[in-house]
Amino acid sequence: EDQVTQSPEALRLQEGESSSLNCSYTVSGLRGLFWYRQDPGKGPEFLFTLYSAGEEKEKERLKATLTKKESFLHITAPKPEDSATYLCAVQATQGGSEKLVFGKGTKLTVNP
Amino acid sequence: DGGITQSPKYLFRKEGQNVTLSCEQNLNHDAMYWYRQDPGQGLRLIYYSQIVNDFQKGDIAEGYSVSREKKESFPLTVTSAQKNPTAFYLCASGLAGGQDTQYFGPGTRLTVL
Repeated sequence: EDQVTQSPEALRLQEGESSSLNCSYTVSGLRGLFWYRQDPGKGPEFLFTLYSAGEEKEKERLKATLTKKESFLHITAPKPEDSATYLCAVQATQGGSEKLVFGKGTKLTVNP
Repeated sequence: DGGITQSPKYLFRKEGQNVTLSCEQNLNHDAMYWYRQDPGQGLRLIYYSQIVNDFQKGDIAEGYSVSREKKESFPLTVTSAQKNPTAFYLCASGLAGGQDTQYFGPGTRLTVL
């Protein structure tokens, strides 16, 4: 069974304190790994898609990386507006559908 | 503006009632999805549709029904058979048949009174 585990569940940082969020996964065959940001009471906002081990993508203070077993979302010099829940999801190659399997998310709080 | 709209934003239902949640997209996407989000849990797939007039059950389809009569629309009905319907419901869309991103709507919060 495809599984996604995100850690930590919650993370508190001071403004400017860089850190990383982890997403470990087990899938029969990885079609893609997705990162989303979700603010309270809103729908997830797409951040990145990674397809193969070694791939990296960046957007402002965020950088996503992928290995064969996990993905990291690195946050460099975070600001309070980066506070949100970050969701990781994987799409498997088997099953014939585009189903995403989601982790439970990491709630990030950045204090000024 | 292109995007996904969901209505209503908040919905209250009495026990025993069926309610329908609306999802519309103007992104010209073939595939549409319904997810349920509960506190402390990951998003779970209810139903999905890859083409008009066709849809498949997801992991938690019991107590829900859908239709896909138009490419732009994918309404979800929460029936009285759904034992614990209070949740945040999210609609998503994407291009079918490939490694494509799913884009989400703003969500509908359903509360059973």
